[in-house]
Amino acid sequence: AIQMTQSPSSLSASVGDRVTITCRASRAIRDDLAWYQQKPGKAPRLLIYVASTLQSGVPSRFSGSGSGTNFTLTINSLHPEDFATYHCLQDFDYPLTFGGGTKVEIK
Amino acid sequence: EVQLLESGGGLVQPGGSLRLSCAASGFTLSDHYMDWVRQAPGKGLEWVGRTRDKANGYTTEFAASVKGRFTISRDDSNNSLYLQMNSLKIEDTAVYYCTRTPHLSGSYFPDYWGQGTLVTVSS
Repeated sequence: AIQMTQSPSSLSASVGDRVTITCRASRAIRDDLAWYQQKPGKAPRLLIYVASTLQSGVPSRFSGSGSGTNFTLTINSLHPEDFATYHCLQDFDYPLTFGGGTKVEIK
Repeated sequence: EVQLLESGGGLVQPGGSLRLSCAASGFTLSDHYMDWVRQAPGKGLEWVGRTRDKANGYTTEFAASVKGRFTISRDDSNNSLYLQMNSLKIEDTAVYYCTRTPHLSGSYFPDYWGQGTLVTVSS
């Protein structure tokens, strides 16, 4: 199975900060990667798919990049509602695998 | 409006069985891949399994951890998806989500998720 290593596992940031989260695949997955946001007690929300395409309705301060094995989710200018846990997901091969998650907390 | 509503969770003993249901609305179920994803308490997300759409014969894929114990079926006429879970283990304890998984730019990623249903496996 393809392992998705997400880092950091948690971070503290302030409103207005720029935040970068990375996901590394154990082997090349083209651009078959998505990013999700999850708040406590809620289902995940799709933010970005195929590495860099913004899902409809997602604010433009979210962006994704990468291909192959290294991927990045960037949040420009953190808003209060962005404090949540972020997950990456690869759909290149079965079984689909998620990263371990990154919890973005308020500093 | 796309909606997914899971039901059927609860407390079950190790070795027991449970069937989860997912009622879908706002889209044509037969046109979509559908996934089940779970999340153990305080843990990350784990993909459980997938059923492809009608055009792809409703074939299924499963995670190694559940293969041979879980099956996915659907009743498109009733807009419902099911996850049959047999030989349940304590480590199957989790919130189970059903997801709509459309074809997005050459890949398949869950876009809509249900609210989840909790399955607790304990004696």
